[in-house]
Amino acid sequence: SSELTQPPSVSVSPGQTASINCSGYKLGDTYASWYQQKTGQSPILVIYQNRKRPSGIPERFSGSTSGSTATLTISGTQAIDEADYYCQAWDKSAVVFGGGTKLTVL
Amino acid sequence: QVQLVESGGGLVKPGGSLRLSCAASGFTFSDFYMSWIRQAPGKGLEWVTYINNVGNTISYGDSVKGRFTISRDNDKNSLHLQMSSLRAEDTAVYYCVRYGSGWGFAPWGQGTLVTVSS
Repeated sequence: SSELTQPPSVSVSPGQTASINCSGYKLGDTYASWYQQKTGQSPILVIYQNRKRPSGIPERFSGSTSGSTATLTISGTQAIDEADYYCQAWDKSAVVFGGGTKLTVL
Repeated sequence: QVQLVESGGGLVKPGGSLRLSCAASGFTFSDFYMSWIRQAPGKGLEWVTYINNVGNTISYGDSVKGRFTISRDNDKNSLHLQMSSLRAEDTAVYYCVRYGSGWGFAPWGQGTLVTVSS
């Protein structure tokens, strides 16, 4: 089955840009979505179809893809953005999640 | 507003069974695929299963295939997950999640905890 690989952790200073990568050979053929999960809360969708933001998601969240890598970028990172982030894609009729990245805002 | 409320979690012994339910409101339930996604304590997200809007297309993750059964009742706006032959590794918070084709999984319910232990 397909795998999506994320770095376990990323650190960023407040106001700086955070980038979280997600790599998997199927990402060149299918859309990636991204989910934010804060401690003790259910995940929420922050990016779908590689780069689209659902309503209510701040503009500082953006997504992009290059080859088999999807990237979530948070510009002007705020303390409230500290959370776990998961990428997700489809592999035929199965859903695959990355292992998650803990974003720390120092 | 769109709301998904899970119920049915609890403590069950290895080899036992449990049925989870999800009550949906605030949207036309019969228009959407639905899914169960789980998260073991301190771990990442793991997709479990999905069902299409009319219930005739279903897919399962390898770890639950043959043991779990997803179903839906569009008249009652409800989603169910029948779990059998439960194992310790099935211990997790189970989320009921709506899937909009091309939109991703949103929203997520608050989750219900299933603990498999003797």
